[in-house]
Amino acid sequence: QKEVEQNSGPLSVPEGAIASLNCTYSDRGSQSFFWYRQYSGKSPELIMFIYSNGDKEDGRFTAQLNKASQYVSLLIRDSQPSDSATYLCAVNLFYGQNFVFGPGTRLSVLP
Amino acid sequence: DAGVIQSPRHEVTEMGQEVTLRCKPISGHNSLFWYRQTMMRGLELLIYFNNNVPIDDSGMPEDRFSAKMPNASFSTLKIQPSEPRDSAVYFCASSFAGSQPTQYFGPGTRLLVL
Repeated sequence: QKEVEQNSGPLSVPEGAIASLNCTYSDRGSQSFFWYRQYSGKSPELIMFIYSNGDKEDGRFTAQLNKASQYVSLLIRDSQPSDSATYLCAVNLFYGQNFVFGPGTRLSVLP
Repeated sequence: DAGVIQSPRHEVTEMGQEVTLRCKPISGHNSLFWYRQTMMRGLELLIYFNNNVPIDDSGMPEDRFSAKMPNASFSTLKIQPSEPRDSAVYFCASSFAGSQPTQYFGPGTRLLVL
């Protein structure tokens, strides 16, 4: 079983819609969760992180964490074509500083 | 502030040659990570350092790969000898080991081994 799983996509949504990206993880000791965005040919850039169960909002982005279900999601409201990218979920385990990255979900926002 | 700096940005070499990738982490960060990204395998952690000490090198694929961090502001990843299957984008990332271990990535080195 892979440690961090994501649907590879592509996930296509129309401009202005809500994009929902999902991530599951296997280690219950996971402490913190990160969402990175990666444009083609570029490096991953941090969008947001979440530590506690529930929702965390930052502008058009909302991260949702459910530790009991080992599930973290990212919602993008009012999706724009500029949001088209690959979104990487990363999980930080209790015992170290290293992350385990998921394979990423490719999002395409159609104008 | 300057972000993570990597060099070279692109490297084309022939099989069997030695390749050295360089990284300068963000000033004040005390953890440094080397990743490799390919279409097939995604983003893989190769090795990470904390306070210049290698903590986990279980991701280093084989003895042809080695990494050093002689001081807090510099790290190298060396491949000797290089093989075509080493072709990938290599990212360096740094973080401050604390309550919020957010990693910040460099621009990457795109390596092509012919």
